[in-house]
Amino acid sequence: QSVLTQPPSVSAAPGQKVTISCSGSSSNIGNDYVSWYQRLPGTAPKLLIYDNDKRPSGIPDRFSGSKSDTSATLGITGLQTGDEADYYCGTWDSSLSVVVFGGGTKLTVL
Amino acid sequence: QLQLQESGPGLVKPSETLSLTCTVSGGSISSRSYYWGWIRQPPGKGLEWIGNIYFNGSTYYNPSLRSRVTISVDTSKNQFSLKLSSVTAADTAVYHCSRTIFGVVIVSAWGQGTLVTVSS
Repeated sequence: QSVLTQPPSVSAAPGQKVTISCSGSSSNIGNDYVSWYQRLPGTAPKLLIYDNDKRPSGIPDRFSGSKSDTSATLGITGLQTGDEADYYCGTWDSSLSVVVFGGGTKLTVL
Repeated sequence: QLQLQESGPGLVKPSETLSLTCTVSGGSISSRSYYWGWIRQPPGKGLEWIGNIYFNGSTYYNPSLRSRVTISVDTSKNQFSLKLSSVTAADTAVYHCSRTIFGVVIVSAWGQGTLVTVSS
């Protein structure tokens, strides 16, 4: 069982917006920055968001991140079929002294 | 374009040592800007951080694996390696090598991953 909790799956229609939640505790999300990763089928994961809401170069502004207390959220607007992937959140846990990840959320674009 | 490529045996016997190498291309492993590390994902389970190494050899390990893990770097070959001793079936996983920025938490690049099965 993962330290960070994500919904197993979400779905939405093309062009719509979807949000993916990542719930933790005061020792992880509540105490450090959150990153988000996208893993397209058959490919290596890719960094989408770091430091809660920053996008690396090349990541479109359709992807956004936010954090409040012990939860973080990834938002994707203007959904495309190419966004179908597994999404993971990650951060540092100061009690466990480890990098922790969510269990992953599978996005389906209907 | 940075590329990370894992290599090593896909099958390891219980109680033996798992050994993997990550070859870095398109970037220098001696860069002071990055850490290099390993993350694994057992079948049907979540991602688990194994540890990281800095170019100068400083290491950071998951406490739950620390007694069995060694990560090392070979700057002459632009490679870094993972050794996990006394493996059991619970160590069966896809192993990804990685590059992190601003410390060990933000994974800015991932290898494709390689499946290692522990079985006799």
